[in-house]
Amino acid sequence: DQQVKQNSPSLSVQEGRISILNCDYTNSMFDYFLWYKKYPAEGPTFLISISSIKDKNEDGRFTVFLNKSAKHLSLHIVPSQPGDSAVYFCAATRGGNKLIFGTGTLLAVQP
Amino acid sequence: NAGVTQTPKFRILKIGQSMTLQCTQDMNHNYMYWYRQDPGMGLKLIYYSVGAGITDKGEVPNGYNVSRSTTEDFPLRLELAAPSQTSVYFCASSRGQVEGYTFGSGTRLTVV
Repeated sequence: DQQVKQNSPSLSVQEGRISILNCDYTNSMFDYFLWYKKYPAEGPTFLISISSIKDKNEDGRFTVFLNKSAKHLSLHIVPSQPGDSAVYFCAATRGGNKLIFGTGTLLAVQP
Repeated sequence: NAGVTQTPKFRILKIGQSMTLQCTQDMNHNYMYWYRQDPGMGLKLIYYSVGAGITDKGEVPNGYNVSRSTTEDFPLRLELAAPSQTSVYFCASSRGQVEGYTFGSGTRLTVV
């Protein structure tokens, strides 16, 4: 039972364009959502988060949108850079102490 | 600033052997976690701890044991290794319940 789903295993975009990574969840009790970025042979690193009381959070080039009625969140990267090429995981939690991760989306930003 | 340190980075085990994956953090975080990542899959929670002396099971605890005798250390023990335990193991820590985790760089384990 996959509670957090990333249905696109991979995404390719041109440098300078927008990257949109999507994530769906099934548990309406989740109250906090996070995005992590992972390079090969490294651990995931925290990127950005959003509480369920908000519908948008921005940090520089990264914006996360939350649509609670659709149980959907997305990560927008504008403009995309080659260094953004990595696997992106969305994660969700209820109460905070056990993150449930999606399966990841491999983003390739072409120069 | 070491963060979360995992050892070893790579290991090959034979079926039935046992080993301990080490995890140490120097950030005085209360919360620590063990995840495994199988190819093409997300990270699955094995065990977690909310403080020294307190541990609890995650989604996939079978075949593993943990202990948390100090704030800094959270070792993961594999008894009777099986091929299904071939995976990349990540340890993580966090200060509080809703803060982003800090992950180690992982241990790649192969059971043959």
